[in-house]
Amino acid sequence: EVQLVQSGAEVKKSGESLKISCKHSGYRFTTSWIGWMRQMPGKGLEWMGLIWPGDSDTKYSPSFQGQITLSVDTSVTTAYLQWSSLKASDTAMYYCATMGAGTSSYYFDYWGQGTLVTVSP
Amino acid sequence: QSVLTQPPSVSGAPGQRVTISCTGGSSNIGAGYDLHWYQQLPGTAPKLLIYANNRRPSGVPDRFSGSKSGTSASLAIAGLQAEDEGDYYCQSYDRSLDGYVFGTGTTVTVL
Repeated sequence: EVQLVQSGAEVKKSGESLKISCKHSGYRFTTSWIGWMRQMPGKGLEWMGLIWPGDSDTKYSPSFQGQITLSVDTSVTTAYLQWSSLKASDTAMYYCATMGAGTSSYYFDYWGQGTLVTVSP
Repeated sequence: QSVLTQPPSVSGAPGQRVTISCTGGSSNIGAGYDLHWYQQLPGTAPKLLIYANNRRPSGVPDRFSGSKSGTSASLAIAGLQAEDEGDYYCQSYDRSLDGYVFGTGTTVTVL
């Protein structure tokens, strides 16, 4: 079975950079899209983007394009989400998840436990 | 602003049946894209509950069922239990946005 373990909570200041991780174990790392989602305090889920670990092909939500960078390191079966300059509005819980294929759209089948990012002004 | 709309909350007594609707449009559910459902219990990560409209992953009780028709979908929870309290989200793909979308979320309360 697939397991995703995310890095620990982060407290940063506006303008700082950050890279959080999602360690994958089990099968399918290079043959399954990995998606990232944001959940702001008390709010719903938002899809941020996805990456194919096999060749690092990425697709970003228009809402997050240019604001984040997704990457992977296949040698350690880990996916990353990074910011070059954080804003207070980036304060949220971030989830990674593997993606399974339905007949006509993908779903998020295995989820990490989440990484809480807190950014002070 | 999500393109998939859900009621903010639903409630029911233990043992009752509740349904949660997910209303989309012609560029997502109505275009034939699969609809999926997630359960998020308090303080935990979301969990896949229903995929491809009406399929249950291994381990999900058959009290949970999904359906889709036209531009909307529904999640039904039969025999409501206290452990079902939490937030529920629908999710699909939107071809106009060229991306994945989640519903606005519904909080289920067991009275």
